[in-house]
Amino acid sequence: NAGVTQTPKFRVLKTGQSMTLLCAQDMNHEYMYWYRQDPGMGLRLIHYSVGEGTTAKGEVPDGYNVSRLKKQNFLLGLESAAPSQTSVYFCASTLYGVSGELFFGEGSRLTVL
Amino acid sequence: AQKVTQAQTEISVVEKEDVTLDCVYETRDTTYYLFWYKQPPSGELVFLIRRNSFDEQNEISGRYSWNFQKSTSSFNFTITASQVVDSAVYFCALSEGSGYALNFGKGTSLLVTP
Repeated sequence: NAGVTQTPKFRVLKTGQSMTLLCAQDMNHEYMYWYRQDPGMGLRLIHYSVGEGTTAKGEVPDGYNVSRLKKQNFLLGLESAAPSQTSVYFCASTLYGVSGELFFGEGSRLTVL
Repeated sequence: AQKVTQAQTEISVVEKEDVTLDCVYETRDTTYYLFWYKQPPSGELVFLIRRNSFDEQNEISGRYSWNFQKSTSSFNFTITASQVVDSAVYFCALSEGSGYALNFGKGTSLLVTP
């Protein structure tokens, strides 16, 4: 059972380039989240989804877009990467929404030069 | 406004010492959930515990214990007889019944030296 899988694990981009992070979960969870982790900042919510076909903004959504076309996948896109988006990105999912334990992916380290 | 405050940025202890990590939260909801996660140097996030607002009973799991006090809005985490393997960043998190996601504190980095 894979749980939550993120690809790619590492990526280096140049300013202005675009890319997509893929999150896939095999636990049939309704709720999925994208967080970013920066030194001394904890984890901050970028976007989230409460079910297939739904997305919503979190705390720090600017510069990112997301899609949830299939229940098991949650994509995070950067249309024009900026150095401020250098971070470690974590995807998470849960069955029970705010009351449930979050299952995290291993993280994706993105560097924007 | 920060909903979860972990005032201790870094803690360093010697192996076998007891250590308490503080967590103070802020919410107006009567229904909420509190969590602790561990992030070892390898980087993954490991779930440790969840508590709901209606259950103030303290919990002990091996060397780990948690003290939930609604009167002081705190959910502190104690490691007894710390070990080097406890070295990690520990995050406290809050989710509110009226909300949609976990709000994380900034984390406390714990270093346990031999």
